Amino acid sequence: AAGVIQSPRHLIKEKRETATLKCYPIPRHDTVYWYQQGPGQDPQFLISFYEKMQSDKGSIPDRFSAQQFSDYHSELNMSSLELGDSALYFCASSTPGTGATDTQYFGPGTRLTVL
Amino acid sequence: QKEVEQDPGPLSVPEGAIVSLNCTYSNSAFQYFMWYRQYSRKGPELLMYTYSSGNKEDGRFTAQVDKSSKYISLFIRDSQPSDSATYLCATPAADAGGTSYGKLTFGQGTILTVHP
Repeated sequence: AAGVIQSPRHLIKEKRETATLKCYPIPRHDTVYWYQQGPGQDPQFLISFYEKMQSDKGSIPDRFSAQQFSDYHSELNMSSLELGDSALYFCASSTPGTGATDTQYFGPGTRLTVL
Repeated sequence: QKEVEQDPGPLSVPEGAIVSLNCTYSNSAFQYFMWYRQYSRKGPELLMYTYSSGNKEDGRFTAQVDKSSKYISLFIRDSQPSDSATYLCATPAADAGGTSYGKLTFGQGTILTVHP
């Protein structure tokens, strides 16, 4: 079965550079979530989109922005990168109508390292 | 205080043992609970989700919810070395009316090692 695709899988950037992470949800899934997972920590919710509109916002820095496109893929744009942004970034997708569980399926993640 | 608390372990058991993983939560509005398994440097993989109090069984895995004490558990029977991973409990956000939506709140994760 098709899964969530994320690219790139690994990314190395310098401080103050920008990065763009991409997420391709499972076909027919219209909701995308972004999470950040620091070393040894649990995933923290950043932002979500439903039908190309932002649906919820968590602890996402102002330096980050995201959007969902007409084909439902999503991009997380990160500017003025800081050392503390080094983490695993996960995208998850879900589709309403499967009950109130809103089951989320996670991608393999993008490992961002800021030097 | 985190809304979902989980003992990070680590937990080390011999192959074939019964494993018990536990979480507590503070918000009584939470309705649904999930267990994810995460292998090193991989994305979380959904194992099970439960709604009501009681048990839900799927193969060697049993999820248990006790809403009166805000306690959720995952039991793994006949544990295998391939079960070695981090196990995360999670729950979707819930509004004051008890409607669940979207973003997941995770516990800290329990690192499990099953040795042959």
